[in-house]
Amino acid sequence: NAGVMQNPRHLVRRRGQEARLRCSPMKGHSHVYWYRQLPEEGLKFMVYLQKENIIDESGMPKERFSAEFPKEGPSILRIQQVVRGDSAAYFCASSYRENQETQYFGPGTRLLVL
Amino acid sequence: SQQGEEDPQALSIQEGENATMNCSYKTSINNLQWYRQNSGRGLVHLILIRSNEREKHSGRLRVTLDTSKKSSSLLITASRAADTASYFCATAGGGNNRKLIWGLGTSLAVNP
Repeated sequence: NAGVMQNPRHLVRRRGQEARLRCSPMKGHSHVYWYRQLPEEGLKFMVYLQKENIIDESGMPKERFSAEFPKEGPSILRIQQVVRGDSAAYFCASSYRENQETQYFGPGTRLLVL
Repeated sequence: SQQGEEDPQALSIQEGENATMNCSYKTSINNLQWYRQNSGRGLVHLILIRSNEREKHSGRLRVTLDTSKKSSSLLITASRAADTASYFCATAGGGNNRKLIWGLGTSLAVNP
């Protein structure tokens, strides 16, 4: 049973470009969470999704950021018109439907905006 | 805003010694979890303690929870060089609120 997969592992973008980060949850998991970690800091919650639904996006900036978790395929975190302050590690986690307490994390995508 | 605050921010010990890290939080919780992060890597779930539990063990790990003081501690006994990592506490609220609120972490260095 493969763990949570994220790709790409590293992403370099110039200011103004778009960044697309993908997350494939563990098999059987229908809950996905995105977190952002700035250098030398802890993680901050961004968004919580179930299949085809955004449940909680209270941690996501209102502009330029969007997330989706379609019926088929991975969850996507999309950042439009990236700025240097978007440089961070973005982690995805997933959890079981029945056991909702433990979240299993992917290896993260490290975004660098030049 | 951050929910948890870990202390110390950094801890350096010798192999074989015990390491204790503390975490405080601000609001009511459903459970508290500890994670480990090796440098530049992903997070590994270590242990979860529910709000109605006071102590939990897993191998060389011992976690306590004091809801009256809104604090938790993580004890790693007989530390090894491989325990060198950052350790984070994260709290989860009740009901449908499943997002984790994270502290800033404790950086542990275990010297051989």
